[in-house]
Formats: sequence, C-alpha cells, structure tokens
Amino acid sequence: DIQMTQSPASLSASLGETVTIECLASEDIYDILAWYQQKPGKSPQLLIYDASSLHTGVPSRFSGSGSGTQYSLKINSLQPEDFASYYCQNGLSAPNTFGAGTKLELK
Amino acid sequence: QVQLEESGPGLMQPSETLSLTCTVSGFSLTSNGVGWVRQPLGKGLVWMGTIWAGGSTNYNSAVQSRLSISRDTSKSQVFLKMNSLQPEDTGTYYCARQRYYFDYWGQGVMVTVSS
Repeated sequence: DIQMTQSPASLSASLGETVTIECLASEDIYDILAWYQQKPGKSPQLLIYDASSLHTGVPSRFSGSGSGTQYSLKINSLQPEDFASYYCQNGLSAPNTFGAGTKLELK
Repeated sequence: QVQLEESGPGLMQPSETLSLTCTVSGFSLTSNGVGWVRQPLGKGLVWMGTIWAGGSTNYNSAVQSRLSISRDTSKSQVFLKMNSLQPEDTGTYYCARQRYYFDYWGQGVMVTVSS
C-alpha cells in the first residue's frame, strides 16, 4: 500500500502570508494526487487534482506542484477563510490513502 | 447540479450491522464511482471503499472482512454495510463522487457506536 506522509501537522500563520504544505508518497504516484480543504463541521472540499490542476471555483492563490513522490500545496496571501485543515490523497491506486492532515491556524 | 446525501442511523450498539445510504443526483452511477470516507471525531480522513462505474468494488484492507458496498442504479443510491461494529467505528461517514479523486462530497452522517 502507498503511504502518504504529510507535513507539518500544524502551522501557524498570519493574514497575507504565504504557506506551503508538503506530502511525500512512499512510491511514485505519477502526479495522481489531490488536495482537500476541510473547515470545522464541514465536508472536505477538493482544491487541487492531478497534483497541480485547480478544481472549479477554487481561488488562484491556491497552487499545487510536485512530481514522483514529492508534492506540495502553496497558499499565497492567506485570507481569513483559508484557516482550515488540509489533506493530500493518493489517487493512483487503492487504498486511496489520505495524508494525516495539516491544521492551519491564525497566528 | 451534483449532490450526494448520506442517511442512516446515528446510534448503533457494538456488534450490530451499520447500513448507510448515499442518494445521488446530477450524475449517473454507471458513469461515476462513489467512495465512502470515514472521519473519527477530531481526526483525519480514512478511505473505506469504492464502487466504480462498472460495479466493481475496492475496500480498505483494515475493514474489508466487515464491509460491503453495493448500489441500485435505478434509484441512484449507493449502500454501505459494515458488520460487527465496535466503538472505534464511531465517526462521520461521507460518501463522495470518485474519479480517482473525490470531487463532490455529501454532508456526512455521524455514527456513534456505544452500548
């Protein structure tokens, strides 16, 4: 099974800052990686698929990059609504493992 | 408009069988997969299993012996059945449309397993 190691587990940042979240797969997943945002009490929402493609309606301050086993999610110019939890997900093969999550908090 | 809605009992006893229904609209089950994802309270997301457009299924090996996912395409419904429930099965259960990523999610249903 492919393991997804996400870091950091938590992150404290200020409005307007830029932050990066990393996800390391235990083997090559050929860019079949997705990123999700989840706010408290809400369902996860797809942000990025295929490592770098923005899902419909997602603001352009979100971007994804990476290849092989290493991927990252970058959020530019943090807005109040961006403080949430973020998860990466292996889409290449079952089990479609999620990373453990990153909680982004307001400093 | 793509929509998914989970339904099922909120409180279960240990050893019982959980039955959840995901009713979808705005897309066809014969053209799209639907997956189930569980989230224990305050914890991360765990993929449980998927039924694909052709009707085949994949399950998380951790629950494979207890889990069954099926569907009724005429009613646009996907079903999750999991037997031998334990307190650690407590959490919010989501269904989501799945290509290889989950692009649309239901609102989730909270299931508590307690005696």
